[in-house]
Amino acid sequence: SQELEQSPQSLIVQEGKNLTINCTSSKTLYGLYWYKQKYGEGLIFLMMLQKGGEEKSHEKITAKLDEKKQQSSLHITASQPSHAGIYLCGAHLYDMRFGAGTRLTVKP
Amino acid sequence: GAVVSQHPSRVICKSGTSVKIECRSLDFQATTMFWYRQFPKQSLMLMATSNEGSKATYEQGVEKDKFLINHASLTLSTLTVTSAHPEDSSFYICSARASVPYNEQFFGPGTRLTVL
Repeated sequence: SQELEQSPQSLIVQEGKNLTINCTSSKTLYGLYWYKQKYGEGLIFLMMLQKGGEEKSHEKITAKLDEKKQQSSLHITASQPSHAGIYLCGAHLYDMRFGAGTRLTVKP
Repeated sequence: GAVVSQHPSRVICKSGTSVKIECRSLDFQATTMFWYRQFPKQSLMLMATSNEGSKATYEQGVEKDKFLINHASLTLSTLTVTSAHPEDSSFYICSARASVPYNEQFFGPGTRLTVL
């Protein structure tokens, strides 16, 4: 089965700082999803990457998928308190599986 | 994007009772639906996969007699937690996959279950 490792598990940054979250797969990824969540709430879809070397951006968040399609990174520029939450990477062959998540805290 | 709803959003029940959670795809037909569970400070873990009109496939370690899944139509799947215990308290999220485009999976807003 697809196994996804996320790092770091938790991250505390000062407002305005940049940060990166990584997601590594044990197998080639054919679709890598990034979600944001607060526990007890639903998932907020951020981005989906499919092609090796693909990069997508939305506002201050950029996600990349490496050429080998086994690693993805999520980069937040000039973080804000509104970026706080749990970030999950997900991938699927038949069903969606998730990494362990990264808990982001942004200190004002 | 496609919309998936869940009902109820929150439920509190006594130990030993059964609780039913509904998952509906509102604007598309879902041939496959998935149920996930999330404990505090943990990620989503897949519990089971259900295809319309057939029995659900459960992940290892998930008791099929305790978590009954019914996918009776292309827009509705239900998860019934039977004889609930406090350790079943969790956040349950369903997901539905549309026939077209294939592999697009949409998530419901989740149901928070608290068993007293």
